[in-house]
Amino acid sequence: DTGVSQNPRHKITKRGQNVTFRCDPISEHNRLYWYRQTLGQGPEFLTYFQNEAQLEKSRLLSDRFSAERPKGSFSTLEIQRTEQGDSAMYLCARSGGGNTGELFFGEGSRLTVL
Amino acid sequence: GENVEQHPSTLSVQEGDSAVIKCTYSDSASNYFPWYKQELGKRPQLIIDIRSNVGEKKDQRIAVTLNKTAKHFSLHITETQPEDSAVYFCAASNGFGNDMRFGAGTRLTVKP
Repeated sequence: DTGVSQNPRHKITKRGQNVTFRCDPISEHNRLYWYRQTLGQGPEFLTYFQNEAQLEKSRLLSDRFSAERPKGSFSTLEIQRTEQGDSAMYLCARSGGGNTGELFFGEGSRLTVL
Repeated sequence: GENVEQHPSTLSVQEGDSAVIKCTYSDSASNYFPWYKQELGKRPQLIIDIRSNVGEKKDQRIAVTLNKTAKHFSLHITETQPEDSAVYFCAASNGFGNDMRFGAGTRLTVKP
């Protein structure tokens, strides 16, 4: 157990619908990351939070994507007006203690856009 | 930003043989190089990592080497076993995680 819980584990939606994923890390004070992984590729960085502050956003994160981490605890990733190209595994990760650099990933939320 | 390239994309070995996966990175400021193993349908999990002040690190059958001058690092698995079959990802970052970039992965198959 990596101390990162994600839900839903799988979401199937029709193109144009909005979807929201949730990530619950074990601790409120760790850094929290969102990555996207498509088949046959490594995880791609989307965004990063230090407590409740969103400190970095990838160019991959179009204006249809928004992430929040209210109160520095759980985080949500919302995708508006989904497109088929959004189909992927969305991984949440927390940092380890201190500045180890290690990331602990959740099981991921798989999005399928029909 | 950082760019990480990984080779080969697929690797098939016989049980007991060694496997080597290589990665190159572009940002000379990167100083933390982890390797993750991802089994089918599961999350990536760290198996070994190395920092730029070290040239080699070993953990049982797994070792990682780093050449800072050439900006490349490698994963070595000896005495491979069928349970080593998975996708392996290398990554590079400045050590704080917010800029960690992953390679495209190597699918390792160990044939019994």
